[in-house]
Amino acid sequence: EVQLVESGGGLVQPGGSLRLSCTASGFIFSNYAMTWVRQAPGKGLEWVSSISNNGVDTYYADSVKGRFTISRDNSKKTLYLHMNSLRADDTALYHCAKYWVASVPSVDDGFDIWGQGTMVTVSS
Amino acid sequence: SSELTQDPAVSVALGQTVRITCQGDSLRTYLASWYQLKPGQAPVLVMYGKNNRPSGIPDRFSGSSSGTTASLTITGAQAEDEADYYCKSRDSSGYHVVFGGGTKLTVL
Repeated sequence: EVQLVESGGGLVQPGGSLRLSCTASGFIFSNYAMTWVRQAPGKGLEWVSSISNNGVDTYYADSVKGRFTISRDNSKKTLYLHMNSLRADDTALYHCAKYWVASVPSVDDGFDIWGQGTMVTVSS
Repeated sequence: SSELTQDPAVSVALGQTVRITCQGDSLRTYLASWYQLKPGQAPVLVMYGKNNRPSGIPDRFSGSSSGTTASLTITGAQAEDEADYYCKSRDSSGYHVVFGGGTKLTVL
């Protein structure tokens, strides 16, 4: 079964750090780009960051650039999101998702598999 | 603010046809994909490319695109189609992913 399972969320104080993980199964992880998308309570989907299949190319939303780092370990079939200098507005359910392409950006790219998400709450 | 614009809410009578639209200049260059969100569930891809349905998505879902507008049409809406729908594409630079603000579909 093709599956993505996120972990690592929790309650953290403003200014703190957290590392999210996303473990893949059921597909050749190293063949596909991956992404993180979040949804704040009562809000819509917001793209956070993407990474190419080989980890060379990374992209970030302006709202997280300089604070978050995306990475992957293809040998462990795991995607990561290192989050530093967390703020209250980073509070959200964080989903990882699989692109259907290896390299991004492309004219026709998107996310065919999503995880259930892991909740991050930034509060004192 | 999102570079892709969607109507916040749309309603449709059971069994009728509804179209959900997504507008943005980048849609002239980048294709849209559509995602269905239900409370407590992971998002689901329902349409991609010009009119491609992933396996498992009912054929009552179809897509189209013209100029700066992409559309998702549900022909014969069912109660289980009630959900939030998001379009996704890229911004004008191409490097950033953007989502529309989402459309809440109510099936009456």
